[in-house]
Amino acid sequence: EAGVVQSPRYKIIEKKQPVAFWCNPISGHNTLYWYLQNLGQGPELLIRYENEEAVDDSQLPKDRFSAERLKGVDSTLKIQPAELGDSAVYLCASSLDPTDRGHNEQFFGPGTRLTVL
Amino acid sequence: KQEVTQIPAALSVPEGENLVLNCSFTDSAIYNLQWFRQDPGKGLTSLLLIQSSQREQTSGRLNASLDKSSGRSTLYIAASQPGDSATYLCAVITGNNRKLIWGLGTSLAVNP
Repeated sequence: EAGVVQSPRYKIIEKKQPVAFWCNPISGHNTLYWYLQNLGQGPELLIRYENEEAVDDSQLPKDRFSAERLKGVDSTLKIQPAELGDSAVYLCASSLDPTDRGHNEQFFGPGTRLTVL
Repeated sequence: KQEVTQIPAALSVPEGENLVLNCSFTDSAIYNLQWFRQDPGKGLTSLLLIQSSQREQTSGRLNASLDKSSGRSTLYIAASQPGDSATYLCAVITGNNRKLIWGLGTSLAVNP
């Protein structure tokens, strides 16, 4: 079974440019998460989707960040315009059913390492 | 507010040793606890998930225990190998928002 797929793996852009990250969760997982991870820190949740609905986007900087999961499967996270402080690893994760204690294990993709120059 | 602490921050052991990594949390009303490993420049690999009603979970040479009342979990690694070298993170979910609260991790080096 394929894991969580993310692309690109690496991205280098100049500040003020737009950038987009793509994630395809594990098949059948209805919950999708986007995290940001800085070096030496744990991941910070940006947004959580249950199917196509964003149920927690309280930590998403909405002035420059946006996300979508139109058909409740794959998702795109966009930054426009990017700032120097956005350099980090952007991780996508999915879980089967967060409301079921036996099926809310989160599985992570390899991440996209963003460098803003 | 839930806080997760991992001790030690770094650990270096010779190959073959059994070792214990510690994770503590301040709010015992957790939903579940998950252990991950992260290799340099890589994503997070889920190792074990312990539901709040469980006391331990085992996978191969790994055994994770959970004591909710004392706010502690331990990850036991038996017969450590150089390939176990990585950063190990624990994370808990508290409440209905299903948000993982993370520790800062233990950086493990297993020396041949």
